[in-house]
Amino acid sequence: SQQGEEDPQALSIQEGENATMNCSYKTSINNLQWYRQNSGRGLVHLILIRSNEREKHSGRLRVTLDTSKKSSSLLITASRAADTASYFCASRTSNNAGNMLTFGGGTRLMVKP
Amino acid sequence: GAVVSQHPSWVICKSGTSVKIECRSLDFQATTMFWYRQFPKQSLMLMATSNEGSKATYEQGVEKDKFLINHASLTLSTLTVTSAHPEDSSFYICSARGDLNHNEQFFGPGTRLTVL
Repeated sequence: SQQGEEDPQALSIQEGENATMNCSYKTSINNLQWYRQNSGRGLVHLILIRSNEREKHSGRLRVTLDTSKKSSSLLITASRAADTASYFCASRTSNNAGNMLTFGGGTRLMVKP
Repeated sequence: GAVVSQHPSWVICKSGTSVKIECRSLDFQATTMFWYRQFPKQSLMLMATSNEGSKATYEQGVEKDKFLINHASLTLSTLTVTSAHPEDSSFYICSARGDLNHNEQFFGPGTRLTVL
């Protein structure tokens, strides 16, 4: 399969709560990226974590990477209604086929005001 | 950051017609462009990768004669959906990578294709 996996597939929380999304991938990576997509719109790049990094922060976002488990998590703290969107992880690999970005299945986050 | 545009943003066409979608890198030269397809509530699936001046490489299961890709310049790639059918209705997203940070890929806003 081209895709990695994300869980949960859908998440509904109240404004102010934290949202955690998990992503697993299949092969060795150069880096892993998280994107946000509002319904029917394009992708917005959120954060990139390299394979030699374990944790990275950007504003209310915290990303972790565990290469031994081939997994990553995205934490959004103090969520807002405007955070409602789909979130995708994408792993960057380099292999004989070239330098590829492979997307996870996505998590649909709904933040209720 | 770098900007990638797509045109049109949405298109409705009759079954059997062909539709061309343009993808442009506005402020950088894109040596590689990617075309993705996204069905409702699903993830992005890579359709093909094209390098400027050479033939596109298609992912398994993607018909190259149906989805024609042209990457004739460093700022423009086109995807033509030939003889479109309702099952081709989808959100098509292009992405470009080039002479900026090698690892960074910039995404267009997508094109919504509806085939009646």
